[in-house]
Amino acid sequence: GAVVSQHPSRVICKSGTSVKIECRSLDFQATTMFWYRQFPKQSLMLMATSNEGSKATYEQGVEKDKFLINHASLTLSTLTVTSAHPEDSSFYICSARSRLGAEQPQHFGDGTRLSIL
Amino acid sequence: AQSVTQLDSQVPVFEEAPVELRCNYSSSVSVYLFWYVQYPNQGLQLLLKYLSGSTLVKGINGFEAEFNKSQTSFHLRKPSVHISDTAEYFCAVSVRGSARQLTFGSGTQLTVLP
Repeated sequence: GAVVSQHPSRVICKSGTSVKIECRSLDFQATTMFWYRQFPKQSLMLMATSNEGSKATYEQGVEKDKFLINHASLTLSTLTVTSAHPEDSSFYICSARSRLGAEQPQHFGDGTRLSIL
Repeated sequence: AQSVTQLDSQVPVFEEAPVELRCNYSSSVSVYLFWYVQYPNQGLQLLLKYLSGSTLVKGINGFEAEFNKSQTSFHLRKPSVHISDTAEYFCAVSVRGSARQLTFGSGTQLTVLP
């Protein structure tokens, strides 16, 4: 089946550090990737939609200068949390959809647990 | 806009008992429907999906769901649960045809007791 690899799985760093999270589709091409944030015991909140070769579309309330998204190829999207602070601590999950149709389900990475001290 | 309601935030059930996790949705247009499972500290894994055709959909791990258009529901069921089914379950919808976003419900924590 379709596999999405997300790296790293866990990051612990000091306040003010920038953190980059990678999302790769391993066995399919993904024109669209999605970035979600999940707080404990809550559902996934869509942060942005990343389209290969174009700027990401951010959801309302998400700071685009804080959460930089790059989708440079059909198999890789990155999320960079710039100058991270403790309130940015969360579980970040990416997903990817095949270019082969809107009915195709999203395939999710295993998430990144970000802890800012 | 679409919305998804999962009526039960927590469902405890004994091992080998049947379980139903409820999901209702609201949309002014036709949607695709999905159920995902999330184990602790992991991403989401697709259990099953309804795109069209038969309203009873069978998925992995013995789960099935039935699409009821008149009641706008897509409840998830399993006739006999195992300890390993303990996880968070999310119902989601996406708009047919063009939209690529998923709208998630708030999730249901299924806890299977020995």
